Amino acid sequence: DVKVTQSSRYLVKRTGEKVFLECVQDMDHENMFWYRQDPGLGLRLIYFSYDVKMKEKGDIPEGYSVSREKKERFSLILESASTNQTSMYLCASSPRVGRLYNEQFFGPGTRLTVL
Amino acid sequence: GENVEQHPSTLSVQEGDSAVIKCTYSDSASNYFPWYKQELGKRPQLIIDIRSNVGEKKDQRIAVTLNKTAKHFSLHITETQPEDSAVYFCAARRLFSGGYNKLIFGAGTRLAVHP
Repeated sequence: DVKVTQSSRYLVKRTGEKVFLECVQDMDHENMFWYRQDPGLGLRLIYFSYDVKMKEKGDIPEGYSVSREKKERFSLILESASTNQTSMYLCASSPRVGRLYNEQFFGPGTRLTVL
Repeated sequence: GENVEQHPSTLSVQEGDSAVIKCTYSDSASNYFPWYKQELGKRPQLIIDIRSNVGEKKDQRIAVTLNKTAKHFSLHITETQPEDSAVYFCAARRLFSGGYNKLIFGAGTRLAVHP
Protein backbone atom coordinates (compact mmCIF):
# COMPACT_ATOMS: atom_id res chain seq x y z
CA ASP A 1 0.00 0.00 0.00
CA VAL A 2 1.57 3.25 -1.19
CA LYS A 3 2.03 5.79 1.47
CA VAL A 4 2.90 9.45 1.03
CA THR A 5 3.00 11.35 4.29
CA GLN A 6 3.38 15.02 5.08
CA SER A 7 4.79 16.38 8.30
CA SER A 8 1.80 18.53 9.27
CA ARG A 9 -1.90 18.69 8.40
CA TYR A 10 -2.26 22.27 9.63
CA LEU A 11 0.37 24.96 10.08
CA VAL A 12 0.10 28.60 11.13
CA LYS A 13 3.09 30.86 10.57
CA ARG A 14 3.83 34.57 10.67
CA THR A 15 4.89 36.73 7.74
CA GLY A 16 8.65 36.58 7.24
CA GLU A 17 9.14 33.23 8.94
CA LYS A 18 11.04 30.43 7.24
CA VAL A 19 8.75 27.44 6.76
CA PHE A 20 9.65 23.82 6.08
CA LEU A 21 7.14 21.33 4.70
CA GLU A 22 8.30 17.73 4.66
CA CYS A 23 7.11 14.87 2.49
CA VAL A 24 8.09 11.20 2.74
CA GLN A 25 7.15 8.32 0.43
CA ASP A 26 7.77 4.64 1.03
CA MET A 27 7.45 3.27 -2.53
CA ASP A 28 10.98 3.91 -3.79
CA HIS A 29 9.59 6.38 -6.35
CA GLU A 30 12.04 8.41 -8.39
CA ASN A 31 9.75 11.40 -8.98
CA MET A 32 8.40 13.69 -6.28
CA PHE A 33 6.31 16.83 -6.65
CA TRP A 34 5.04 19.78 -4.66
CA TYR A 35 1.74 21.43 -5.62
CA ARG A 36 -0.37 24.13 -4.14
CA GLN A 37 -4.13 23.91 -4.37
CA ASP A 38 -6.30 27.01 -4.40
CA PRO A 39 -10.04 27.23 -5.15
CA GLY A 40 -10.72 27.72 -8.84
CA LEU A 41 -7.06 27.27 -9.77
CA GLY A 42 -6.68 23.53 -9.45
CA LEU A 43 -3.31 21.99 -8.65
CA ARG A 44 -0.36 24.12 -9.61
CA LEU A 45 3.13 22.64 -9.70
CA ILE A 46 5.72 24.45 -7.60
CA TYR A 47 8.77 22.21 -7.94
CA PHE A 48 9.52 18.63 -8.81
CA SER A 49 12.45 16.28 -8.47
CA TYR A 50 13.26 13.24 -10.57
CA ASP A 51 16.22 12.00 -8.58
CA VAL A 52 18.16 12.64 -5.41
CA LYS A 53 19.65 16.14 -5.39
CA MET A 54 17.87 16.94 -8.68
CA LYS A 55 15.16 19.58 -8.88
CA GLU A 56 13.20 21.34 -11.58
CA LYS A 57 11.05 24.45 -11.37
CA GLY A 58 7.36 23.99 -11.93
CA ASP A 59 4.89 26.65 -12.94
CA ILE A 60 4.99 28.82 -9.80
CA PRO A 61 8.42 28.46 -8.13
CA GLU A 62 8.79 32.07 -6.97
CA GLY A 63 9.16 32.34 -3.22
CA TYR A 64 9.87 28.63 -2.79
CA SER A 65 12.85 26.31 -2.78
CA VAL A 66 13.18 22.55 -2.36
CA SER A 67 15.60 19.96 -1.09
CA ARG A 68 15.96 16.27 -1.97
CA GLU A 69 18.84 14.79 -0.01
CA LYS A 70 17.33 11.30 0.18
CA LYS A 71 15.20 9.44 -2.34
CA GLU A 72 12.23 9.10 0.01
CA ARG A 73 12.13 12.69 1.27
CA PHE A 74 11.28 15.93 -0.54
CA SER A 75 11.15 19.19 1.37
CA LEU A 76 9.48 22.45 0.38
CA ILE A 77 10.93 25.62 1.88
CA LEU A 78 9.30 29.03 2.08
CA GLU A 79 12.29 31.29 2.63
CA SER A 80 10.21 34.21 3.95
CA ALA A 81 6.53 33.36 4.24
CA SER A 82 4.03 35.86 2.90
CA THR A 83 0.24 36.01 3.24
CA ASN A 84 -0.24 35.11 -0.44
CA GLN A 85 1.36 31.76 0.31
CA THR A 86 -1.59 30.78 2.46
CA SER A 87 -2.81 27.65 0.71
CA MET A 88 -3.17 23.88 0.74
CA TYR A 89 0.15 22.21 -0.16
CA LEU A 90 0.10 18.72 -1.63
CA CYS A 91 3.07 16.45 -2.11
CA ALA A 92 3.01 13.60 -4.64
CA SER A 93 5.30 10.85 -5.87
CA SER A 94 5.41 8.59 -8.92
CA PRO A 95 7.72 6.01 -10.43
CA ARG A 96 9.91 6.89 -13.37
CA VAL A 97 8.19 6.55 -16.76
CA GLY A 98 8.87 3.12 -18.17
CA ARG A 99 7.80 1.24 -15.09
CA LEU A 100 4.45 -0.46 -15.21
CA TYR A 101 2.46 2.18 -13.42
CA ASN A 102 2.98 5.92 -13.61
CA GLU A 103 0.28 7.07 -11.24
CA GLN A 104 1.03 10.02 -9.01
CA PHE A 105 0.17 9.27 -5.39
CA PHE A 106 -0.70 12.23 -3.22
CA GLY A 107 -0.08 12.97 0.41
CA PRO A 108 -2.89 14.20 2.69
CA GLY A 109 -1.93 17.85 2.29
CA THR A 110 -0.76 20.62 4.61
CA ARG A 111 -3.02 23.60 5.07
CA LEU A 112 -0.70 26.53 5.68
CA THR A 113 -1.95 29.85 7.01
CA VAL A 114 0.41 32.81 7.00
CA LEU A 115 -0.67 35.65 9.27
CA GLY B 1 3.00 27.46 -22.52
CA GLU B 2 1.41 24.23 -21.38
CA ASN B 3 -2.20 24.58 -20.39
CA VAL B 4 -5.18 22.36 -19.56
CA GLU B 5 -8.66 23.87 -19.59
CA GLN B 6 -11.49 22.06 -17.82
CA HIS B 7 -15.24 22.63 -18.08
CA PRO B 8 -17.60 23.04 -16.37
CA SER B 9 -16.28 24.33 -13.07
CA THR B 10 -19.41 23.11 -11.27
CA LEU B 11 -21.91 20.43 -12.25
CA SER B 12 -25.09 19.47 -10.49
CA VAL B 13 -27.02 16.31 -11.49
CA GLN B 14 -29.79 14.12 -10.14
CA GLU B 15 -28.91 10.66 -8.91
CA GLY B 16 -29.01 8.24 -11.83
CA ASP B 17 -28.24 10.86 -14.46
CA SER B 18 -24.99 10.99 -16.43
CA ALA B 19 -22.24 13.55 -15.92
CA VAL B 20 -19.68 14.69 -18.48
CA ILE B 21 -16.55 16.74 -17.81
CA LYS B 22 -14.44 18.03 -20.68
CA CYS B 23 -10.78 19.04 -20.93
CA THR B 24 -8.59 20.46 -23.65
CA TYR B 25 -4.81 20.59 -23.61
CA SER B 26 -2.27 22.66 -25.51
CA ASP B 27 0.93 20.57 -25.55
CA SER B 28 0.86 18.15 -28.47
CA ALA B 29 3.68 16.18 -26.81
CA SER B 30 1.31 15.07 -24.02
CA ASN B 31 0.78 11.33 -24.10
CA TYR B 32 -0.99 10.34 -20.89
CA PHE B 33 -4.22 11.73 -19.44
CA PRO B 34 -5.28 10.78 -15.90
CA TRP B 35 -8.39 11.79 -14.01
CA TYR B 36 -8.31 12.33 -10.25
CA LYS B 37 -11.17 12.46 -7.79
CA GLN B 38 -10.86 14.48 -4.59
CA GLU B 39 -13.51 13.99 -1.95
CA LEU B 40 -14.00 16.69 0.63
CA GLY B 41 -11.04 16.87 3.00
CA LYS B 42 -9.20 14.03 1.29
CA ARG B 43 -6.27 13.66 -1.08
CA PRO B 44 -6.75 13.38 -4.87
CA GLN B 45 -6.88 9.78 -6.08
CA LEU B 46 -6.58 8.38 -9.57
CA ILE B 47 -9.86 6.97 -10.90
CA ILE B 48 -9.07 6.32 -14.56
CA ASP B 49 -6.44 7.19 -17.12
CA ILE B 50 -5.92 6.92 -20.86
CA ARG B 51 -2.82 6.81 -23.04
CA SER B 52 -2.46 8.58 -26.33
CA ASN B 53 -2.62 5.40 -28.42
CA VAL B 54 -6.15 4.64 -27.19
CA GLY B 55 -9.37 6.47 -28.06
CA GLU B 56 -11.59 5.22 -25.25
CA LYS B 57 -11.35 3.37 -21.96
CA LYS B 58 -14.09 2.19 -19.65
CA ASP B 59 -14.18 1.00 -16.05
CA GLN B 60 -17.66 0.12 -14.78
CA ARG B 61 -19.61 3.40 -14.58
CA ILE B 62 -16.79 5.66 -15.67
CA ALA B 63 -15.29 6.10 -19.12
CA VAL B 64 -12.79 8.43 -20.70
CA THR B 65 -12.52 9.40 -24.37
CA LEU B 66 -9.57 11.02 -26.12
CA ASN B 67 -9.42 12.94 -29.38
CA LYS B 68 -5.73 13.63 -30.05
CA THR B 69 -6.40 15.62 -33.20
CA ALA B 70 -8.60 18.05 -31.32
CA LYS B 71 -6.48 17.80 -28.13
CA HIS B 72 -9.61 17.04 -26.21
CA PHE B 73 -10.53 14.41 -23.62
CA SER B 74 -13.62 13.80 -21.53
CA LEU B 75 -14.78 11.94 -18.43
CA HIS B 76 -18.18 10.27 -18.51
CA ILE B 77 -19.92 9.02 -15.37
CA THR B 78 -23.13 7.06 -15.87
CA GLU B 79 -25.81 6.23 -13.30
CA THR B 80 -24.40 8.77 -10.88
CA GLN B 81 -24.64 8.14 -7.15
CA PRO B 82 -24.31 10.53 -4.19
CA GLU B 83 -20.86 9.10 -3.44
CA ASP B 84 -19.70 10.41 -6.83
CA SER B 85 -19.94 13.92 -5.38
CA ALA B 86 -16.40 15.32 -5.34
CA VAL B 87 -14.01 17.57 -7.22
CA TYR B 88 -12.64 15.97 -10.38
CA PHE B 89 -9.34 17.01 -11.97
CA CYS B 90 -8.14 16.16 -15.43
CA ALA B 91 -4.45 16.26 -16.27
CA ALA B 92 -2.08 15.91 -19.20
CA ARG B 93 1.39 14.48 -18.81
CA ARG B 94 4.44 15.82 -20.54
CA LEU B 95 7.51 13.64 -20.85
CA PHE B 96 11.04 15.04 -20.72
CA SER B 97 14.23 13.45 -21.94
CA GLY B 98 15.69 11.38 -19.14
CA GLY B 99 12.36 9.76 -18.35
CA TYR B 100 10.98 12.28 -15.91
CA ASN B 101 7.58 13.80 -16.39
CA LYS B 102 5.12 16.28 -15.00
CA LEU B 103 1.35 16.60 -14.96
CA ILE B 104 -0.49 19.75 -15.92
CA PHE B 105 -3.83 19.84 -14.10
CA GLY B 106 -7.10 21.44 -15.03
CA ALA B 107 -8.79 23.77 -12.55
CA GLY B 108 -11.22 21.09 -11.39
CA THR B 109 -14.95 20.40 -11.60
CA ARG B 110 -17.08 20.26 -8.49
CA LEU B 111 -19.71 17.57 -9.09
CA ALA B 112 -22.78 17.41 -6.86
CA VAL B 113 -25.11 14.43 -7.17
CA HIS B 114 -28.48 15.02 -5.55
CA PRO B 115 -30.58 12.09 -4.27
